[in-house]
This record gives sequence, structure tokens and C-alpha cells, in this order.
Amino acid sequence: AQKVTQAQTEISVVEKEDVTLDCVYETRDTTYYLFWYKQPPSGELVFLIRRNSFDEQNEISGRYSWNFQKSTSSFNFTITASQVVDSAVYFCALSESDSGGSNYKLTFGKGTLLTVNP
Amino acid sequence: DAMVIQNPRYQVTQFGKPVTLSCSQTLNHNVMYWYQQKSSQAPKLLFHYYDKDFNNEADTPDNFQSRRPNTSFCFLDIRSPGLGDAAMYLCATSRDRVPYNEQFFGPGTRLTVL
Repeated sequence: AQKVTQAQTEISVVEKEDVTLDCVYETRDTTYYLFWYKQPPSGELVFLIRRNSFDEQNEISGRYSWNFQKSTSSFNFTITASQVVDSAVYFCALSESDSGGSNYKLTFGKGTLLTVNP
Repeated sequence: DAMVIQNPRYQVTQFGKPVTLSCSQTLNHNVMYWYQQKSSQAPKLLFHYYDKDFNNEADTPDNFQSRRPNTSFCFLDIRSPGLGDAAMYLCATSRDRVPYNEQFFGPGTRLTVL
């Protein structure tokens, strides 16, 4: 079975600190996709990034950056110079096919609650 | 703006009293999903529709049903809610049923069972 592990349940930082959220996954698929979603207190999950298994280039988007390493099955997320508005639960997810191979679904990690204090 | 809308945002029902949650989308996406999310847990997929094709997850209780009368709307019916069904219910859509499509989520309906 495929699995996503986010070992950090909660992280608390002070504004302007850098913070890294860890994600480790397990899959037997050779082609797969990894995602990060943000869930602010309002409840709506917001898509942040997608990565496919063939593209190990790191990505930067403003204060956000992602480090994908197939060798360690990790897809970590770093927020630079954190802000109070970054406070949310962050979910890492893996897109997997079902046993029939025709359906795909997201397997989410348990999420990391990030609190950024002023 | 194109979006996923869920109504109501908060729903209170009584133990055993049927309840329906609704979801609509203006994205014209082919796939609609229903997730259950309990406090401090990951969203758990209940089922999804690919167009009119219904796909139930193996561990989704029979108590949960869904209807998709057209592309835009999808309903979650809980026939006899129990206390354990109190949760946030999230609706999501994706353009197609391929592994690289991101899902777009609604704000959720928080269900309380008394």
C-alpha cells in the first residue's frame, strides 16, 4: 500500500524564520505524482505544487521552495521568511492508481500544523 | 471566478436523521470527489464520480450515498448519521481522472450530529 508520512505534527515558529516541512512517501509505482496542499483555518484545501516522479528539479515560487529527492523518497517544503498568514495545516499527498489501474486517488499524509507567531 | 461551492457550511442533524450535503462547481470538471475529514486527520476519500460513473471506495460505509444529477452538482447523502459521522465533508473536483490533475476543493461542510 502506498503511504505518505509527515512526521512533524505541529511546528511553531516566529515570523521571519525559515521552516521546512518534511514529507516521506512509499510507492511501488514507477510513475507517480506528489502534491502539497495548504489548509488554512477557513477549511478549504489550496493546491500549492505538483511534482512528477521523473522531474527531480527543485522548485522555487516566491518564499516557497520544494526539494524532491527520489533517492530518499522525500518531498520537503520550505517556507522562507515565514509570515503569520502562512499559519495553516499543510498536507503532502501522493497520487496513486488503484488495483485496477484505471482510477487515481490522492493519499494524504496526516498534515503538519504550522503556527507562525508575530 | 470559477469555483467549488458547498452548502451549507455548517449542518447540524440528529442521530439517525438523514442529511444531504451539496456541492456545485463552475469549473466544468469531469470528476467530483467527496472526502471526510475528522479533526486533526487527513482527508479520507469516500467516493468519486467520473462524469456519471460512480466509484465507491471499498471502506466507505453503506450509510453514505452520493448522487450527481448533472456535471455541476453532486450530493452526499448520509442515510442514518451516527455520532462517528461528525466531521468536515469536503467536495473536490478535477479536470479529468488522470494522476497529474490537481484537485480543487470547496470550503467544506462541518457536520454536527446530536
